[in-house]
Amino acid sequence: DIQMTQSPSSMSASLGDTVTINCLASQDIGNYLSWYQQKPGKSPKLMIYGATNLEDGVPSRFSGSRSGSDYSLTINSLGYDDEGIYHCHQYYEYPLTFGSGTKLEIK
Amino acid sequence: QVQLKESGPGLVQPSQTLSLTCTVSGFSLTSYNVHWVRQPTGKGLEWMGVIWTGGSTDYNSALKSRLSISRDTSKSQVFLKMNSLQTEDIATYYCARDTGPWYFDYWGQGVMVTVSS
Repeated sequence: DIQMTQSPSSMSASLGDTVTINCLASQDIGNYLSWYQQKPGKSPKLMIYGATNLEDGVPSRFSGSRSGSDYSLTINSLGYDDEGIYHCHQYYEYPLTFGSGTKLEIK
Repeated sequence: QVQLKESGPGLVQPSQTLSLTCTVSGFSLTSYNVHWVRQPTGKGLEWMGVIWTGGSTDYNSALKSRLSISRDTSKSQVFLKMNSLQTEDIATYYCARDTGPWYFDYWGQGVMVTVSS
């Protein structure tokens, strides 16, 4: 199975900051990587697919990037609405796997 | 609009069988694959299995011996059955639709399942 190592597990940032969340794939997954945002008590929401493509309706403050097997989600100009847990997900092969999640708190 | 909604008992006794239903609207089960994903409280997401548009299924090998996914296309429903439930199976269970590439564009609200006598 492909392991997705996500870091950090939690982070705290201030309004207006820029933050980056990382996922390292245990093997090549190409651009088959998506990112989800999850608010407390809610289901995950698709933010990024294909490693770098912004889902419709997602603010352009969100962006995804890739360097080899390292994938990053960057959020610029943090707002209170960005608080939640972020999950990476590889869909290159089955079984589909997820990172362990990053809890983002806005100070 | 596209919607998925899970339903089923929130409490299952140890060693018993979990039965959940995912009722979809706004799309056809013969056009989109539907997956089951679960999340233990405070933990990460675990992919459980998928029912393909043609009706065949694939499962996470860690659950394969206990898990069955089926559907009724006339009712737009996907079913999950998992036997021999234990406390490790306590989680919120989601159904989700994939887009063709296997990322999920729509999710259900989730159903919390507890295992207890």
